[in-house]
Amino acid sequence: DAGVIQSPRHEVTEMGQEVTLRCKPISGHDYLFWYRQTMMRGLELLIYFNNNVPIDDSGMPEDRFSAKMPNASFSTLKIQPSEPRDSAVYFCASSYYYRVTGELFFGEGSRLTVL
Amino acid sequence: AQSVTQLGSHVSVSEGALVLLRCNYSSSVPPYLFWYVQYPNQGLQLLLKYTTGATLVKGINGFEAEFNKSQTSFHLRKPSVHISDTAEYFCAVTINTGFQKLVFGTGTRLLVSP
Repeated sequence: DAGVIQSPRHEVTEMGQEVTLRCKPISGHDYLFWYRQTMMRGLELLIYFNNNVPIDDSGMPEDRFSAKMPNASFSTLKIQPSEPRDSAVYFCASSYYYRVTGELFFGEGSRLTVL
Repeated sequence: AQSVTQLGSHVSVSEGALVLLRCNYSSSVPPYLFWYVQYPNQGLQLLLKYTTGATLVKGINGFEAEFNKSQTSFHLRKPSVHISDTAEYFCAVTINTGFQKLVFGTGTRLLVSP
């Protein structure tokens, strides 16, 4: 089985540009999470979906950030406009039956650098 | 709310040594506890987890952890580490009441030298 697939793996962009990160969760998983990892703040949960519906976006830092999950096999995290402080590694993770298992399966991450 | 504290942001040991990575948690109800490992330039992967039952949990790659309710700890250990165990290790906690997000610790970087 393929794992969680994220693209792009690396993105370098200039301040003010729009950034779109993509995620394909593991087939059959009903939860999808977006995390951000930085040296200063560690791993932060940005938003999560259950059955394609956003459940909690309280971790989204600002209105510049938005996430969608149009179907069970695809999600996007968009930053518009991007700022240098958004530079981080963004992880997507999926889970099946999270309420019981609590286990997440992570993608390899998208490293974003905003100049 | 749940939280975890990982003592020691960096641990360095020699290959073949015993390693102990410390994790203490805070939770008002029985927790689910996890250890994840992150190899360089990769995502996190599950090493082991405790939900209920036996307090000594064995995971992949020879790692094990013991849930200690009285000390609110879930320390990770491996009797004999290998160079390939060099990675960052994260302790995490959640609870099985409604939906509670997985809360990660700040991580411990383990460096295993020859």
